[in-house]
Amino acid sequence: DTGVSQNPRHKITKRGQNVTFRCDPISEHNRLYWYRQTLGQGPEFLTYFQNEAQLEKSRLLSDRFSAERPKGSFSTLEIQRTEQGDSAMYLCASSFTGGGYTFGSGTRLTVV
Amino acid sequence: SQQGEEDPQALSIQEGENATMNCSYKTSINNLQWYRQNSGRGLVHLILIRSNEREKHSGRLRVTLDTSKKSSSLLITASRAADTASYFCATDALDSWGKLQFGAGTQVVVTP
Repeated sequence: DTGVSQNPRHKITKRGQNVTFRCDPISEHNRLYWYRQTLGQGPEFLTYFQNEAQLEKSRLLSDRFSAERPKGSFSTLEIQRTEQGDSAMYLCASSFTGGGYTFGSGTRLTVV
Repeated sequence: SQQGEEDPQALSIQEGENATMNCSYKTSINNLQWYRQNSGRGLVHLILIRSNEREKHSGRLRVTLDTSKKSSSLLITASRAADTASYFCATDALDSWGKLQFGAGTQVVVTP
């Protein structure tokens, strides 16, 4: 297992388009998290899964955002009708419950 | 909103010196964790300290936790240029079930 993998690394999209990001966690981990990070700030929590169940969604996650984790394996984060304010680094992490996180390298989204 | 606040926001030191950064938080916690982030990359887990622990060491890192003051410190001894990065504290609050909240980070620059 080579850690948490995120694809793509970079995504440039036009405002109004939909984008989807993928995260492959460490297979033994039962928790998967999505965070968003803007320049000069710490990661902000978006949502997390325990196995295939989505346990919590942040108020930051508007109706345009949806995340899935089918069969408790990889996860996808979709943003519909992107806006310039969605430009950020989207980070995925996995862990055992109550343990330290292993982060992926992130997907940098630029909305033009 | 972010639970932890790091101090200072930025720190510039020379190789061989020690670097100390502090984190204050607001609510009772299960554990507190420190992460490092190199520019444009994902976060790397450094150390986890549980609420019933007061001090923890890992290599050149020393973390303290004072739950009565709701604060923690990270000390990097004998710093190296490779320690240049942003450092974040993250709290696992008592009612958060393993979800971490991150501070805004301390940017550390170590010059040769």
